[in-house]
Amino acid sequence: KAGVTQTPRYLIKTRGQQVTLSCSPISGHRSVSWYQQTPGQGLQFLFEYFSETQRNKGNFPGRFSGRQFSNSRSEMNVSTLELGDSALYLCASSSSGTGGHEQYFGPGTRLTVT
Amino acid sequence: EDQVTQSPEALRLQEGESSSLNCSYTVSGLRGLFWYRQDPGKGPEFLFTLYSAGEEKEKERLKATLTKKESFLHITAPKPEDSATYLCAAAGRYSSASKIIFGSGTRLSIRP
Repeated sequence: KAGVTQTPRYLIKTRGQQVTLSCSPISGHRSVSWYQQTPGQGLQFLFEYFSETQRNKGNFPGRFSGRQFSNSRSEMNVSTLELGDSALYLCASSSSGTGGHEQYFGPGTRLTVT
Repeated sequence: EDQVTQSPEALRLQEGESSSLNCSYTVSGLRGLFWYRQDPGKGPEFLFTLYSAGEEKEKERLKATLTKKESFLHITAPKPEDSATYLCAAAGRYSSASKIIFGSGTRLSIRP
């Protein structure tokens, strides 16, 4: 079974720009969650989508948004980029969600904002 | 407030020297306690899920255990390839929007 894939793997953007990251979950998984990982804050939950609906949201500003398509693929968008948005963005898929079932992570997208 | 705390932050061991990593959690209505391994520049790799106090799971040189307040990841006779950051995470039944909380990890280094 193919794992979780994320594209692109690396991105360099400038402040004020916007960016879209993509995630393809494991086949059959309907839940996709997004996380931001930084050396200072560790892994922080952004949001979770299940069957095209946002089910949970973490404590991030409205500049961070996402969506899920009917084939369970998901995208997240960050608008008006700030230097502090530089991080590894991880996508994780699960058969039923974050509430008690293991998640499988992709390799991440390394975003650098200059 | 729901919280997950891991200790120590970093641990250096000699090859073959067994030890344990700690994960203390404060989560209402625990639905699952997870352990992950993360190598530099990669996404976390799932290791174990524990659901109730007293439960234990093993995989090669690793064994995870769970009590009502903490979980331990025991590493027996580690090898250099076990070097990685080990993350634990807790999912609570009545948590707020962030349903799953990750600890900050333990960086494990095994010297040959």
